[in-house]
Amino acid sequence: GQNIDQPTEMTATEGAIVQINCTYQTSGFNGLFWYQQHAGEAPTFLSYNVLDGLEEKGRFSSFLSRSKGYSYLLLKELQMKDSASYLCAVMDSNYQLIWGAGTKLIIKP
Amino acid sequence: EAQVTQNPRYLITVTGKKLTVTCSQNMNHEYMSWYRQDPGLGLRQIYYSMNVEVTDKGDVPEGYKVSRKEKRNFPLILESPSPNQTSLYFCASSSRDRETSPLHFGNGTRLTVT
Repeated sequence: GQNIDQPTEMTATEGAIVQINCTYQTSGFNGLFWYQQHAGEAPTFLSYNVLDGLEEKGRFSSFLSRSKGYSYLLLKELQMKDSASYLCAVMDSNYQLIWGAGTKLIIKP
Repeated sequence: EAQVTQNPRYLITVTGKKLTVTCSQNMNHEYMSWYRQDPGLGLRQIYYSMNVEVTDKGDVPEGYKVSRKEKRNFPLILESPSPNQTSLYFCASSSRDRETSPLHFGNGTRLTVT
């Protein structure tokens, strides 16, 4: 079956760096998305990777290794507003999105 | 403003009473989808639509219906709601190049069925 694994919860300190990992096993691969979701709100798009390597976008970066079925989201200079759930989603060979359960990130002062 | 609009935001109903959750997007997107989100589970797709008059089942379609008579609207219908359909529902849309285009989500509908 198809599977996306992410840690359920992580805690980090304001101003620090945190890395959220995502491993996947899917039927084919057509790209990996990261979304941010604040409690009770809609997910919002953060990043998209389809080729191996690092994509940087301000304080957020996303890395992909297709051979390892692995991605991570790197958040730098953490702010309290970064407290949210981070969702990893992979587009499979049928162009359907397979979603991870999300990682709840708690930022402490 | 480009957006996906869902209504209502909150809904409490009783078992068996038919309801409709509306979804409308103003971005001329071809692709629309409905998800439900439950604690500890990822987003699970209920139905999706690639374009007008084209709908397909997702992972959890039982107990739900949809229609796509117009490009902008994609209502979710629960003919006979049951308590296990209590959940947070999201409508989403994206452009035809959805393998690279992100989903735009509505603000969600929190449904409680008693």
